[in-house]
Amino acid sequence: KQEVTQIPAALSVPEGENLVLNCSFTDSAIYNLQWFRQDPGKGLTSLLLIQSSQREQTSGRLNASLDKSSGRSTLYIAASQPGDSATYLCAVHILTGGGNKLTFGTGTQLKVEL
Amino acid sequence: KAGVTQTPRYLIKTRGQQVTLSCSPISGHRSVSWYQQTPGQGLQFLFEYFSETQRNKGNFPGRFSGRQFSNSRSEMNVSTLELGDSALYLCASSLVAGINYEQYFGPGTRLTVT
Repeated sequence: KQEVTQIPAALSVPEGENLVLNCSFTDSAIYNLQWFRQDPGKGLTSLLLIQSSQREQTSGRLNASLDKSSGRSTLYIAASQPGDSATYLCAVHILTGGGNKLTFGTGTQLKVEL
Repeated sequence: KAGVTQTPRYLIKTRGQQVTLSCSPISGHRSVSWYQQTPGQGLQFLFEYFSETQRNKGNFPGRFSGRQFSNSRSEMNVSTLELGDSALYLCASSLVAGINYEQYFGPGTRLTVT
């Protein structure tokens, strides 16, 4: 059974700091890994999708890497801003029964302070 | 292009009642998945539909059911509601039910069972 863990569970940093969020998964037979952000009481916003054949993806101040062999992904946020405060979730995408399924991590709650 | 929409956004029901939630995917998206989010269990996969067929089902009791219509819109139904069914129910759509396609989430329906 696939298990996804995110460390740390919570993080508080001053504005401008670069930070790294970690995601680990137990079964390397994944097809994609997707990072999301969730604001309180809201739905999920997709940040980055890393396909199984890729090692990293970048979007603006965000960079995500994937190492399937070690079962790890990291999300790097450069020059953090108060607007980055949210819960960040990673999800591994597996193929089961011919269809899609995302298994989510426990999330990292980020607070960026002025 | 409009995003994933879910109705209603908020719902209060009494234990023992049933409820139907609706999801309209992004135009052109044929795969619709449902997830339950609770503080204790996090995000858990309920089921996935593609071309009006359920392809995957998570580990939930038979009280949870769903369907998909020919226009890809989907509904999920929960019968005989229990207090533990209180959660944020999220719907996600993807372009094709392939493994490398990004999932886009709606804002969710907040269900409270009293």
